Amino acid sequence: DTEVTQTPKHLVMGMTNKKSLKCEQHMGHRAMYWYKQKAKKPPELMFVYSYEKLSINESVPSRFSPECPNSSLLNLHLHALQPEDSALYLCASSTEPGNTIYFGEGSWLTVV
Amino acid sequence: AQSVTQPDIHITVSEGASLELRCNYSYGATPYLFWYVQSPGQGLQLLLKYFSGDTLVQGIKGFEAEFKRSQSSFNLRKPSVHWSDAAEYFCAVDGGSQGNLIFGKGTKLSVKP
Repeated sequence: DTEVTQTPKHLVMGMTNKKSLKCEQHMGHRAMYWYKQKAKKPPELMFVYSYEKLSINESVPSRFSPECPNSSLLNLHLHALQPEDSALYLCASSTEPGNTIYFGEGSWLTVV
Repeated sequence: AQSVTQPDIHITVSEGASLELRCNYSYGATPYLFWYVQSPGQGLQLLLKYFSGDTLVQGIKGFEAEFKRSQSSFNLRKPSVHWSDAAEYFCAVDGGSQGNLIFGKGTKLSVKP
C-alpha cells in the first residue's frame, strides 16, 4: 500500500484568505514533501520534512508555511497568496529521505 | 548540477505499437532514476526505478527501462501500447540524500486507435 491522501482535492481562495492543505500517510514513512506543479510544467520541490523536522526549504515565499504535526501528517498553510500561486500542490512521502518517493493525487489551488 | 532532459515534448503512437520515451540525465555519480506517469488532473504514479544492479528494470503496466551509463540515458519502453497509456510521462533523478527529485519537462503520449 503506497497511499498518500490529500485534502481538499480542489480549493478556491481569495488573496486575503487563510487556508490549509492537508496530507496524510500511514505507511510509516519518515520523509514527507510538498511539490508545486504549474500547468504543463514538471513538479518542483518546495519543502522536505525528515523525521518531522524541516530539512529543505527551496526558497519558498513565507506566504506558504509548512507544518508537520506528527509523522503521518503534513500541512501547508496558505496566507495572502497571489493568483500566480494557482497550481497543483502535490504531497509525497518516502521511507527515508532519498528513497523512492510516492505522490498523492494533489490539491488543485486557484487563487482569485 | 543535476538535470534531466526529455527531448520529445509530444509523441503519438498507434494502439498496439511499441513505444520508447527518451531520457538523458546529467549527474556526476551513479544516480537514482525514476519514471512517473501522470494522467490529466491526477497525481504522479511511479512506474519504475533504478538504484543499482541490473540495468534493465521492469515496472508496472508492462513498462521497462534500461539504464545506460555510457549514454547517460534511462529510456522507457513498452512493447505494445494501450489507449489507457495516454498520459504525461516524467523522468526524474535524485542525486542527493534529501529526496530532491529533479524532473524532466515531461513527454505527452497520445495513442491513436
